[in-house]
Amino acid sequence: DAEITQSPRHKITETGRQVTLACHQTWNHNNMFWYRQDLGHGLRLIHYSYGVHDTNKGEVSDGYSVSRSNTEDLPLTLESAASSQTSVYFCASSGGGVAGDTQYFGPGTRLTVL
Amino acid sequence: AQKVTQAQTEISVVEKEDVTLDCVYETRDTTYYLFWYKQPPSGELVFLIRRNSFDEQNEISGRYSWNFQKSTSSFNFTITASQVVDSAVYFCALGGDNAGNMLTFGGGTRLMVKP
Repeated sequence: DAEITQSPRHKITETGRQVTLACHQTWNHNNMFWYRQDLGHGLRLIHYSYGVHDTNKGEVSDGYSVSRSNTEDLPLTLESAASSQTSVYFCASSGGGVAGDTQYFGPGTRLTVL
Repeated sequence: AQKVTQAQTEISVVEKEDVTLDCVYETRDTTYYLFWYKQPPSGELVFLIRRNSFDEQNEISGRYSWNFQKSTSSFNFTITASQVVDSAVYFCALGGDNAGNMLTFGGGTRLMVKP
């Protein structure tokens, strides 16, 4: 069955370190998204991509970057982790054929920055 | 700009009670899409329903029903005869023709169903 996976599921790192969170989908979806979930803020969009080599900033992109070298993967990099980036991170994908396509989410990565 | 408001941050009910989760949205798009997702205690986000702005028919799926009213910009979710397994955080989300494929999420409503 097609799916979307994230790794690692849990990560503890130190302030200032570079961290990369992986997202892999096997639906062959064009669109991929990264969100962070924090108490009181719901889900906020970090970055998104509508296809290979396409990346765009979302609402809370400062301190994060993404690159899309193939259809299946959209890794999220924290260039220099900060305690404010402690959060649960979700990756999602959608087919991209029409606006308002349903997004399907990965299981999430819980990141703690000490 | 699009906005989704879920005014109820937490709701607590006793099993078998009916419960309605409110969702109010704002958009300038004439064509838009509304979603509900469920986040159980295990943490994953589960898609429940997608409706487009041209389809105002209410939808029922088992114990779940959705009431879409354009006149009040609302897309409310009702669980009939709630069960403990319904305990979760529920998110309402909005997408629009002018938003590409992006969704705007509400802050979520935590539902606790007590036995």
